[in-house]
Amino acid sequence: EVQLVESGGGLVQPGRSLRLSCTASGFTFGDYPMNWVRQAPGKGLEWVGLIRSTPYGGTTEYAASVKGRFTISRDDSKSIAYLQMNSLKTEDTAVYYCSGTGEGDAFDIWGQGTMVTVSS
Amino acid sequence: SYELTQPPSVSVSPGQTARITCSADALPKQYAYWYQQRPGQAPVLVIYKDTERPSGIPERFSGSSSGTTVTLTISGVQAEDEADYYCQSADSSGTWVFGGGTKLTVL
Repeated sequence: EVQLVESGGGLVQPGRSLRLSCTASGFTFGDYPMNWVRQAPGKGLEWVGLIRSTPYGGTTEYAASVKGRFTISRDDSKSIAYLQMNSLKTEDTAVYYCSGTGEGDAFDIWGQGTMVTVSS
Repeated sequence: SYELTQPPSVSVSPGQTARITCSADALPKQYAYWYQQRPGQAPVLVIYKDTERPSGIPERFSGSSSGTTVTLTISGVQAEDEADYYCQSADSSGTWVFGGGTKLTVL
């Protein structure tokens, strides 16, 4: 079964850091670019960033709202993508989803999401 | 910044046709993608590359494109289609953008 499972969410104070993990199974993780997408409570989807597959350099891109604070990495040997979030702000409160990019650049695999709450 | 504009809500009766538009604010327009999200669930891809339908998605879902506007059409709407729908595209720098979402209500 193709699956993505996010973990690492929780309650964190403003200014602190948190690392999310996205564990893949059921497909060749190393072939897939991976994305992080978030959704604030009651709001729409917001793309956070991506990491290209290793054969394509494993390079990253970020949304302007998180650039310089968030870092995406991947460990193909463990089939895990990471989202390192530093200098967290209250507006980073959201459900964070990881998603794999498949045929036609479509986000065709999604995890169930993990909640991050930034509050003092 | 690149923006995609969707109507906040669309309402249709069962069996009718729902059309949800997504307008890009600049050219060139890249391919568009559509996702369905039911309450408390992760998004599901329903249309990719403007008009392509993934396997497992009912034939009543279709996509079209004209100029800088793409449209998701759901023919013969069913109660289970009630959900939020998001369009997505890439800007000229290769980063992704989502539209604000459209709540589809089946009356």
